[in-house]
Amino acid sequence: DAGITQSPRHKVTETGTPVTLRCHQTENHRYMYWYRQDPGHGLRLIHYSYGVKDTDKGEVSDGYSVSRSKTEDFLLTLESATSSQTSVYFCAISERTEETQYFGPGTRLLVL
Amino acid sequence: QQQVKQSPQSLIVQKGGISIINCAYENTAFDYFPWYQQFPGKGPALLIAIRPDVSEKKEGRFTISFNKSAKQFSLHIMDSQPGDSATYFCAASMDNDMRFGAGTRLTVKP
Repeated sequence: DAGITQSPRHKVTETGTPVTLRCHQTENHRYMYWYRQDPGHGLRLIHYSYGVKDTDKGEVSDGYSVSRSKTEDFLLTLESATSSQTSVYFCAISERTEETQYFGPGTRLLVL
Repeated sequence: QQQVKQSPQSLIVQKGGISIINCAYENTAFDYFPWYQQFPGKGPALLIAIRPDVSEKKEGRFTISFNKSAKQFSLHIMDSQPGDSATYFCAASMDNDMRFGAGTRLTVKP
């Protein structure tokens, strides 16, 4: 998975609790992305980062925030998890925009 | 509104046959069109990609055909093998905004 790890790999949480997912890369790529994958929707971009402390919203950013304090780490936070945020979350990295994105192994999140 | 529409949802092909998956996009500003392959429990992996200045790109058994005027592109898998059984996603991108199709589950029967 191109030097990308995601943690945790599985998480079960309750509605209203905060959740933070971590993406860690060892490739020193500039761009990092968070996607969610749901049946019938493919993958949808939540947020992305184009450098340390530089982030922007994607297609489905409501209810999510991100932070990137180091090149190698990109955090996704659900401030108050809802059942609609039950999904598989993928982190991706790329060296340049509109180039190959390399995906991590995913985090399966269940919000009860 | 889904900006990239992919069909079919599922596809069953005999070993040695040709698998064809089609995608259509809305936004003419898209300028990078990758295809990703995903196996169960894994992240998607880039299979092949094309830019709109080219009408066809071939890599081994995989070919992308691109029709800019129709805003359509397709993936052809020649001599399909059971190991090709996976979910395939087309995507269209401009800058950092990549939009994916809903996916096609391909099953290649031996």
